[in-house]
Amino acid sequence: EIVMTQSPATLSVSPGERAILSCRASQSVRSNLAWYQQKPGQAPRLLIYGASSRATGVPARFSGSGSGTEFTLTITSLQSEDFAVYFCQQYDDWFPFTFGPGTKVDIK
Amino acid sequence: QLQLQESGPGLVKPSETVSLTCTVSGASIVNINYYWGWIRQPPGKGLEWIGSIYYSGSPHYNPSLKSRVTISVDTSENQFSLNLNSVTAADTAVYYCAGHRRIAAAPYYFDSWGQGTLVPVSS
Repeated sequence: EIVMTQSPATLSVSPGERAILSCRASQSVRSNLAWYQQKPGQAPRLLIYGASSRATGVPARFSGSGSGTEFTLTITSLQSEDFAVYFCQQYDDWFPFTFGPGTKVDIK
Repeated sequence: QLQLQESGPGLVKPSETVSLTCTVSGASIVNINYYWGWIRQPPGKGLEWIGSIYYSGSPHYNPSLKSRVTISVDTSENQFSLNLNSVTAADTAVYYCAGHRRIAAAPYYFDSWGQGTLVPVSS
């Protein structure tokens, strides 16, 4: 099973600033990595797939990068609606698919 | 636009079985572009993949739950279902159904999610 880790656990950012979230895999997942956003009381929403491709309707201020074991989600100019929890998920090694523990982005 | 909706009982007693159904709308469950999966999230915690199924294939389960899980598809109702038996308080979670992209016969990311249903396990 591939173990996913994320850092930091919590990131405090002021509106308009940039947030950089990290995700690490215990072994290479190539570019088979997705990022999800989850707001309180809601289901996760796909943001990024293939490590760097934005899902339909996702604003351009969200960008993903990385491959292998190290990945980054960058949110430029944070908006109020971006304060949420972000999870990464690998889909290179199926069964089980595994998620990271999440990074909470809150208001500084 | 693919939409998914979970349904099932609101409360389950320890040692009983959680039975949930996911109704798919906006597309046929007999869709070569999707696998259908279940993911759960204990209150305040992270996401755990439970299992997935392709409409014409065998289900795949998380090894940590494999002995207690059954996932099936009902093509006539455009639904898929989850049964998790012998539950304990540790199975208390929000249960999500989701569609994940099937590309080159492989399951990929989850791009459509149901709203989730909380299943408390308590006597």
